[in-house]
Amino acid sequence: ETGVTQSPTHLIKTRGQQVTLRCSSQSGHNTVSWYQQALGQGPQFIFQYYREEENGRGNFPPRFSGLQFPNYSSELNVNALELDDSALYLCASSPGKKIQETQYFGPGTRLLVL
Amino acid sequence: DQQVKQNSPSLSVQEGRISILNCDYTNSMFDYFLWYKKYPAEGPTFLISISSIKDENEDGRFTVFLNKSAKHLSLHIVPSQPGDSAVYFCAASLGYSGGSNYKLTFGKGTLLTVNP
Repeated sequence: ETGVTQSPTHLIKTRGQQVTLRCSSQSGHNTVSWYQQALGQGPQFIFQYYREEENGRGNFPPRFSGLQFPNYSSELNVNALELDDSALYLCASSPGKKIQETQYFGPGTRLLVL
Repeated sequence: DQQVKQNSPSLSVQEGRISILNCDYTNSMFDYFLWYKKYPAEGPTFLISISSIKDENEDGRFTVFLNKSAKHLSLHIVPSQPGDSAVYFCAASLGYSGGSNYKLTFGKGTLLTVNP
């Protein structure tokens, strides 16, 4: 039990639609990172937020966007869904920005785009 | 271009024996390495880490070894237990030396099965 929850657990969308995935971090965790894990692959870094501001981004297009809220919750928004967006989306929270601080992962949201 | 590689998709060992999981990386700037364990339907769980200033780090049954010249790290589990059966991910970062780059680059994972 990491104290990080994600919703929904599963989601089916069609190509071109928009989706919002949600993450609730541990209280006091100011950093949240989002990862995409395609089938048979390791998690790929999408972006990170620290105290409600984006703190870095991976190689994902602008249609992937996020928000972090003061209550330690966050969202990942994906516009104009493509078939390749089908994946497990993981969020991870940590107290600050130091890499030595353990990142706690949620169980993920599995997105299927048809 | 995969910067972190786990070339063995799976590994099977007997209970009580040693499990050795391997990981190679290509980016010599990586300065912090982590191992995560993942059970089905759960998120990855942090297991152990090592900074590039060390060669070895031990935590109970788990030891990580880092060979910087070979750009290779390994995770040793001794003795292996059936509950260790999971997917193990190796991850690397550029952030240890104080930079703000906390991003983790993961390998594809190795499925470890420990047989009773």
